[in-house]
Parts: sequence; C-alpha cells; structure tokens
Amino acid sequence: KQEVTQIPAALSVPEGENLVLNCSFTDSAIYNLQWFRQDPGKGLTSLLLIQSSQREQTSGRLNASLDKSSGRSTLYIAASQPGDSATYLCAVLNSGYSTLTFGKGTMLLVSP
Amino acid sequence: NAGVTQTPKFRILKIGQSMTLQCAQDMNHNYMYWYRQDPGMGLKLIYYSVGAGITDKGEVPNGYNVSRSTTEDFPLRLELAAPSQTSVYFCASSYPNRGVNTEAFFGQGTRLTVV
Repeated sequence: KQEVTQIPAALSVPEGENLVLNCSFTDSAIYNLQWFRQDPGKGLTSLLLIQSSQREQTSGRLNASLDKSSGRSTLYIAASQPGDSATYLCAVLNSGYSTLTFGKGTMLLVSP
Repeated sequence: NAGVTQTPKFRILKIGQSMTLQCAQDMNHNYMYWYRQDPGMGLKLIYYSVGAGITDKGEVPNGYNVSRSTTEDFPLRLELAAPSQTSVYFCASSYPNRGVNTEAFFGQGTRLTVV
C-alpha cells in the first residue's frame, strides 16, 4: 500500500523567505507526482506535475523536484509572499494499482 | 472545456436519508476517483474506477456505492446517511496511461452535512 508523508505538517515564515516543503512516498511505481494548493474551504488547485521520467518542474517562483528511486519530492517556494499562505498537498498516481494517494499536507503561513 | 463538474456544491441531509453526488468529466479520462476530506486530514479514497463498468473500493468505502456506466459519469451514492459522513467530497479524473499530460483534475467539491 502506498503511503505519502509530508513534512513539516505546518510552517510559519516571514515574507521574503525561501522555503522547502517535503514529500516522501513508499512505493516508487508511480506515473507522476503532483503538487496542489488548497485554500481554506476551497477546492484543489494544481501547481506542478512531474512525470515519473522527469527530475523537476518549474512554474514562476515554484520549483518541484522528484527523486523516484529514493521516493522523495520537494517543493521549493522562492521569495514567499502572504498570498502563498495555504495548505500544500502532494499526491502520487500509482502505476501498480491505479490510485492517487495524497499526503496530509503542509499548512503554510507567510506573515507580512 | 468544463473539466470535472460536481453537483451539488452544498447539501444538508438528515440521518437515514439517501442521496447521490454527481460527477461528470468531459476530457475522456478513463480513471475517476471519489475522495472525502475531513478537517485537518488529507484526502481519503472512497472508490475509484479505471473505466466504464469497472469500479473498486478505496480506503474508506463503507456506507457508499458507485457505478460507472459511461466514461463521463461517476456518481457516488449514500444510502443511509450517518453523521460520520459529514465531510467534503471531491471527485477527480485522470488518464495516466495516455503517455502525455497525466495530470489529475479535481471538481470543486461537495460540502455535505448530516444532521
């Protein structure tokens, strides 16, 4: 059974800091890994998708890396802003049993 | 392009009532999923389907039923609502073995309260 762990569970930083969110998974048989953002009471917004054959993806101030062999991914946020405050979820699409498994998320608070 | 559409957005049910949460996608995705999200928790898989006519249980299937008669639709049925089913429900779809653009798309969610 795939298990996805996100560390830390919560993070509070002052505006302008660069930060790293971590995601680890136990089964490397995946199609892809996807990072989502969720604002309180809202749905999921897809941020970055990394295919299993890729090492990283970038979108604006966000950079996500994937090391499939070690079962790890990181989401790097550069020059954080208060508008980045949200919960960040990572999910893996499992190739072995066709399911999408989520971590519990990292709750990020960026203070002005 | 509508993506994944869930209805209703909000619903209050009384204990013992039944209802169907609707989910439709227009991207010709073969994989579809139902998740529930409780406060402070991640998303837990209820049921999933890898194609029309094929469904399977996820992590928390008790109290729910699904069907997949077409590629587009994947309704979730609650037969006898219980307070423990108060949650936010998300439907998602993807096409992982297409080789390109295997991104999973999510609906906006259905907030269900059982009283």
